[in-house]
Amino acid sequence: EVQLVETGGGLIQPGGSLRLSCAASGFTVSSNYMNWVRQAPGKGLEWVSVIYSGGSTYYADSVKGRFTISRDDSKNTLYLHMNSLRAEDTAVYYCAREGRSLTYYYMDVWGKGTTVTVSS
Amino acid sequence: SSELTQDPAVSVALGQTVRITCQGDRLRSYYASWYQQKPGQAPVLVIYGKNNRPSGIPDRFSGSSSGNTASLTLTGAQAEDEADYYCDSRDSSGNHVVFGGGTKLTVL
Repeated sequence: EVQLVETGGGLIQPGGSLRLSCAASGFTVSSNYMNWVRQAPGKGLEWVSVIYSGGSTYYADSVKGRFTISRDDSKNTLYLHMNSLRAEDTAVYYCAREGRSLTYYYMDVWGKGTTVTVSS
Repeated sequence: SSELTQDPAVSVALGQTVRITCQGDRLRSYYASWYQQKPGQAPVLVIYGKNNRPSGIPDRFSGSSSGNTASLTLTGAQAEDEADYYCDSRDSSGNHVVFGGGTKLTVL
């Protein structure tokens, strides 16, 4: 079964660091484009970051320089390293697999999410 | 602009047809994808590409596109279709994802 399971969320003080993990099963992370998407309480979806199969990475302006996306091919796991956390980073964080063609993109597999709360 | 604009809320009578729209300049180059999200759950892909439905998505969901507007049509809305719906596309570089603000669908 194709599945993504996020872990690593929790309560963290402003300025702190956290690492989220996203373990994949049923497919190979390194062969796919993988995204992190977050959702603040009561708000809409916000894209955070993507890592391509070739290793290129991209970030939303709101997290650039503070967050780092990576993967461990031996563990078939995606990560999001979050530094200098702010209250506005409080959200449910989802990982999602991306499919593409020339004229369309889609996220077809999503995890259930892990909650990050940044508060003193 | 890379923004995608959706109506915040739409309602439909049970069994009737409703169209949810998504507007943005990038939609002239890329098809939108559509996601359904129910409270406390992760988003689920319902439409992608020109009009493709993932396995398990009922055929009452369909997609279309014209100019800078993508549409998700629900033909014969059911109570279980009540949810938030989001569109997404990519910016001009193709590397950054852009989500619409979401549309809350109420089935009356």
